[in-house]
Amino acid sequence: QVQLQESGPGLVKASETLSLTCSVSGGSISSYYWSWVRQPAGKGLEWIGRIYSSGSTNYNPSLKSRVTMSVDTSKKQFSLKLNSVTAADTAVYYCARGTVGRGAFDIWGQGTMVTVSS
Amino acid sequence: QSALTQPPSVSGSPGQSVSISCTGTSSDVGSSNRVSWYQQPPGTAPKLIIYEVNNRPSGVPDRFSGSKSGYTASLTISGLQAEDEADYYCSSYTTSGTLVFGGGTKLTVL
Repeated sequence: QVQLQESGPGLVKASETLSLTCSVSGGSISSYYWSWVRQPAGKGLEWIGRIYSSGSTNYNPSLKSRVTMSVDTSKKQFSLKLNSVTAADTAVYYCARGTVGRGAFDIWGQGTMVTVSS
Repeated sequence: QSALTQPPSVSGSPGQSVSISCTGTSSDVGSSNRVSWYQQPPGTAPKLIIYEVNNRPSGVPDRFSGSKSGYTASLTISGLQAEDEADYYCSSYTTSGTLVFGGGTKLTVL
């Protein structure tokens, strides 16, 4: 079955760039879209953005100026970069798979905790 | 874009039915059939339980059902079980091609 695994530094300094990668195993990366969702401790889910296997992207307007997503279909990976981070970016970051047309995330990674230090 | 509005908490006894509302605007819930619901037990990743307003993925019990009227979507859980205790989130696509989540609802099984 398809599995997603997030990887990246668990600690990032304020004002620097948060970089995460999601690896897709057990299935194709093509014909789906791939999203990042984050969740601060004790708070709700926040959609960060999505990237299609073709490379086209949509971002949350509130984060758009700081977010870049990319996809490497040959490695079956997609990535998130969030620059100029602050303590408010401390959260569990999830990657998730979306099916085109359904508007739903049917497969999620286990999540990775990222802490922004001052 | 603002988060969709959900009640912070709901509760019910085993065997009862509970409903969770998710209110948006004409830019999201009111104009989209791509409304989804997720279940998130503590310490785990969210799990899709409803997509496209009222469709269940394979393996999700038919005790879970979804509906929508106007700007409000609803998740109903019938025959409440202890294992249903979790946080529940709705989401909707927007007319701008983005996605917005609800603030989440904590379900307590009494």
